[in-house]
Amino acid sequence: DTGVSQDPRHKITKRGQNVTFRCDPISEHNRLYWYRQTLGQGPEFLTYFQNEAQLEKSRLLSDRFSAERPKGSFSTLEIQRTEQGDSAMYLCASKNLVNTEAFFGQGTRLTVV
Amino acid sequence: QKEVEQNSGPLSVPEGAIASLNCTYSDRGSQSFFWYRQYSGKSPELIMFIYSNGDKEDGRFTAQLNKASQYVSLLIRDSQPSDSATYLCAVNTGFQKLVFGTGTRLLVSP
Repeated sequence: DTGVSQDPRHKITKRGQNVTFRCDPISEHNRLYWYRQTLGQGPEFLTYFQNEAQLEKSRLLSDRFSAERPKGSFSTLEIQRTEQGDSAMYLCASKNLVNTEAFFGQGTRLTVV
Repeated sequence: QKEVEQNSGPLSVPEGAIASLNCTYSDRGSQSFFWYRQYSGKSPELIMFIYSNGDKEDGRFTAQLNKASQYVSLLIRDSQPSDSATYLCAVNTGFQKLVFGTGTRLLVSP
């Protein structure tokens, strides 16, 4: 499978717990994006990387959120002390520098109970 | 004013008809425009993108862009029940991120 891969697909966690999601982009895609989508809304930008450098973070990304892409390949998104409002679909997308379009992974659906 | 606006719908069309989906955006510096299809519970799937004024056709899909009016549309010809989904308009404002609308839900009835 050469598409964007996200793991896990679903995560249920108790409020206050930490969670970590992983994204494996399409190989050779330099840019990797994280978005969050809640019910009835379009995806909202959270952050993006070019290779291992995190170049932009949204104001949506509170101090409880951190993202890394240590070797410029896969990325992780960690949410500390989860809140019910964090329940959403977390989407990863990647693109290369040449092409215009970004491709999304299947997403990780987080439910905080 | 939201950066990217879409009518949430649902837009209902009979099978075989043309579905017309519309999107307006506020940032005149926007450079490229995307249409994604999203089935319930799934991730967005790219249909097509456009960055020049005018029309761009790909199979049953035609994207139309009018930068002066800050307007993008997607036409789906010969609509099929399998086209029933939410269609997301997204705009690249030049800062490497996509800004999405809330999506228009399309229902194609047999």
